[in-house]
Order: sequence, then C-alpha cells, then structure tokens
Amino acid sequence: AQKITQTQPGMFVQEKEAVTLDCTYDTSDPSYGLFWYKQPSSGEMIFLIYQGSYDQQNATEGRYSLNFQKARKSANLVISASQLGDSAMYFCAMRGGGTSYGKLTFGQGTILTVHP
Amino acid sequence: GAGVSQSPSNKVTEKGKDVELRCDPISGHTALYWYRQSLGQGLEFLIYFQGNSAPDKSGLPSDRFSAERTGGSVSTLTIQRTQQEDSAVYLCASSVTSGKNNEQFFGPGTRLTVL
Repeated sequence: AQKITQTQPGMFVQEKEAVTLDCTYDTSDPSYGLFWYKQPSSGEMIFLIYQGSYDQQNATEGRYSLNFQKARKSANLVISASQLGDSAMYFCAMRGGGTSYGKLTFGQGTILTVHP
Repeated sequence: GAGVSQSPSNKVTEKGKDVELRCDPISGHTALYWYRQSLGQGLEFLIYFQGNSAPDKSGLPSDRFSAERTGGSVSTLTIQRTQQEDSAVYLCASSVTSGKNNEQFFGPGTRLTVL
C-alpha cells in the first residue's frame, strides 16, 4: 500500500521569501512518481512538478523545486520568491506500480498563506 | 486547447435519488480518472480507465457507485440511492496515458450535495 504524509496543515510565509512544504511517502514499489499539485480557492487542481524515483537530479520548474531525498522517502516542495498568488492548498501525490499503477495517492494537503 | 470539463458544476439532490456526473477528458488522452474530495477524507481515488482495458474500480466505496466510459472519451459516474456521506466534490482527470510520469490534468469538479 502507498501512503503520503503531509505534516503541516498550514504554513505562513512573507512575500518574496522561500518556503518549504514537507512530504514523506511510503511504498514498496521500486518505481514510482511523485507529484505536487496546487489548489487555489477556486478549486481547480494545477500540476506543478514531477519527480521520478529513478531521476538522478531534483526536479525544477521555474520557482518550484522538489527536494527529493530517496533514502529518507521525502519529496519536499520548495517555492522560491513567494508571491501573493501562491496562497493555496498544496497536495503531494504519488503514483506507483503494480496494483497502484495509474492512480494517484494524495496527502492531506498544506494550506499556504503568503503575507504581503 | 480545451481542458477537462465536467458537468454539472453543482448538483443538489435528495437522499435516495440517483445522480449522474459527466466528464469530458482532453482530446487524445487515453487515461481517465475519477477522484472524490471531501473534508473528512481528503482526496480519494475512485476509478480509472486506460484505453480499452478493464477499468480499475478498486477505489469505489460501495456498489452504489459505478462508472462507464463510452467510445474511449466521455465518462459518466453514477451514484445510486445517494446518501448524505456522498456529499463531496467529484473530480475527473485525464492523462495522455497512465504512465507514471504523465501528469493528470484535472477538471473543475462537480460539487454534490445530498440533503
């Protein structure tokens, strides 16, 4: 069985500062993918970044980077230079192999609030 | 191009009635997924379709829930004899294939309220 844990129900950050959102995972699959999604108050789920379990380098997409520590089973999202528009719910998710193939398992989410 | 669309955006129904929720995936996407988002349970996988393969129904919470995908495109999620605990936002997503690195694109969701 796969499990994603996000231990921070809420996070606050000052505009223009960096923030790290934590995500740990558990799986017995040797091959898996990790995703981060953003859900603003409007409700749509927006894909941010992807990390494959065999990728040697940490993924980066603009201001988003994924701090992937495979041995610790963590996949933290780092947002640099926070903007007011970054205020939203953030979900970490995993996609594995075997019987878990295809579907995403989500964490409980972290609400990020960016202060001006 | 057009994203994933869902209809209706909101649905209010009475306990015991049946409801149908519709999803139009992105054109050319072979994989389609249904998830449910509720306050108590977070985001839960329900079912997914990949091409002509048998769907993975492992997330459906009871036999009152069913889904079909016609012609490899549009999907309908049906909930029979709705209960109050079925109240949630039902999200549909699609991806090019069900490969591990293919991100899923989500629709805006259908908010279901069972009175």
